[in-house]
Amino acid sequence: EIELTQSPGTLSLSPGERATISCRASQSVRNNYLAWYQQKPGQAPKVLIFPASTRLTGIPDRFSGSGSGTDFTLTISRLEPEDFAVYYCQQSGSPLYTFGQGTKLEIK
Amino acid sequence: EVQLVESGGGLVQPGGSLRLSCTVSGFTFSTYWMNWVRQAPGKGLEWVANIKTDGSEKYYADSVKGQFTISRDNAKNSLSLQMNSLRAEDTAVYYCVRWNYAMDVWGQGTTVIVSS
Repeated sequence: EIELTQSPGTLSLSPGERATISCRASQSVRNNYLAWYQQKPGQAPKVLIFPASTRLTGIPDRFSGSGSGTDFTLTISRLEPEDFAVYYCQQSGSPLYTFGQGTKLEIK
Repeated sequence: EVQLVESGGGLVQPGGSLRLSCTVSGFTFSTYWMNWVRQAPGKGLEWVANIKTDGSEKYYADSVKGQFTISRDNAKNSLSLQMNSLRAEDTAVYYCVRWNYAMDVWGQGTTVIVSS
């Protein structure tokens, strides 16, 4: 089972600032099958990026993903008020999928 | 409209069993892998299990292997999760999720509470 470790656990920023979230895998993620999700309170998660660096349709271009192998990054270039939420990475490179523990992006 | 609707959650005593169901609409169910993902109160997401389009392959998280069984009925557009020997740590919201190279469609979730 591939373990995903996200950092930081909590990120306190202001609207307009840049957010960077890291996701490190315990072994290489095959085909870079790494997704990023956003979850707001009381809602189901929403996929933003897969695989690794491709934004899904309708996702604003302030969201970007990068990385390969074991190290991946989600960047939000200029935070909007609606971006404050919890973010998860998730791998599907192996049959046993796993999620990172989550990063809470909060308003400073 | 693509929709996933879970049902079957509730309060169950430790050691008990529960069967969750997910009914889908708005897409060709038989052509997608499907997943169950859970989220304990105040905690992160945990992938539970998935199943191939025709049901011929199933995978489980180590935490539920041998305890939970995923199944599907393509004729009824239905996904199920049979949960046995339930423990307090199985308390969570359980989501039915479509796999389309990412978990692109989620149900609203059904809550399972394991408590005496």
